Amino acid sequence: RKEVEQDPGPFNVPEGATVAFNCTYSNSASQSFFWYRQDCRKEPKLLMSVYSSGNEDGRFTAQLNRASQYISLLIRDSKLSDSATYLCVVGLDNYGQNFVFGPGTRLSVLP
Amino acid sequence: SAVISQKPSRDICQRGTSLTIQCQVDSQVTMMFWYRQQPGQSLTLIATANQGSEATYESGFVIDKFPISRPNLTFSTLTVSNMSPEDSSIYLCSVEELELGTGELFFGEGSRLTVL
Repeated sequence: RKEVEQDPGPFNVPEGATVAFNCTYSNSASQSFFWYRQDCRKEPKLLMSVYSSGNEDGRFTAQLNRASQYISLLIRDSKLSDSATYLCVVGLDNYGQNFVFGPGTRLSVLP
Repeated sequence: SAVISQKPSRDICQRGTSLTIQCQVDSQVTMMFWYRQQPGQSLTLIATANQGSEATYESGFVIDKFPISRPNLTFSTLTVSNMSPEDSSIYLCSVEELELGTGELFFGEGSRLTVL
């Protein structure tokens, strides 16, 4: 079983739609969780950290379920500019060398 | 945030040759990370480069194939040696945010390598 697994996608959704991505991780000792966004032919950039209580940033909501070892990202009112690959990242701590990147889920928001 | 410059941004190389990728950061950092992203895949950590000591390699990566230099706190190089087509990939340099302890990683724009 891979350490971090994600829906492979691609997800093709119309503008304004709500879309949810799922991520599961295998190491129950994991302590830090993130969603990164990677545009085509660009480097990954942090979208948001994921906290146990869940967190929201505008149209984006992240949830963590430690018992099920599951992370989700919800995007509401999708924009064309949301088209990208979303990478789930899990770490044993907050040190970069201990992060594991998921394979990513590709999202295309269509006009 | 950190600003990271990588070069070359892309290159096409012949098999059997070697290529050195440079990474320059606009601030002093203890650790620099080198990742590989193969076509259609996610990021895999190659090694962690510490200033003043040998790099720490992840499983499946060895120093002879990917020698790393870290001469100071703002610069590192990764060499891909004796290249084969399987080395065709994007190589990314990264540093972590330290002041706030958020764990955020900042990446360079990557070096896209094609080996013929």
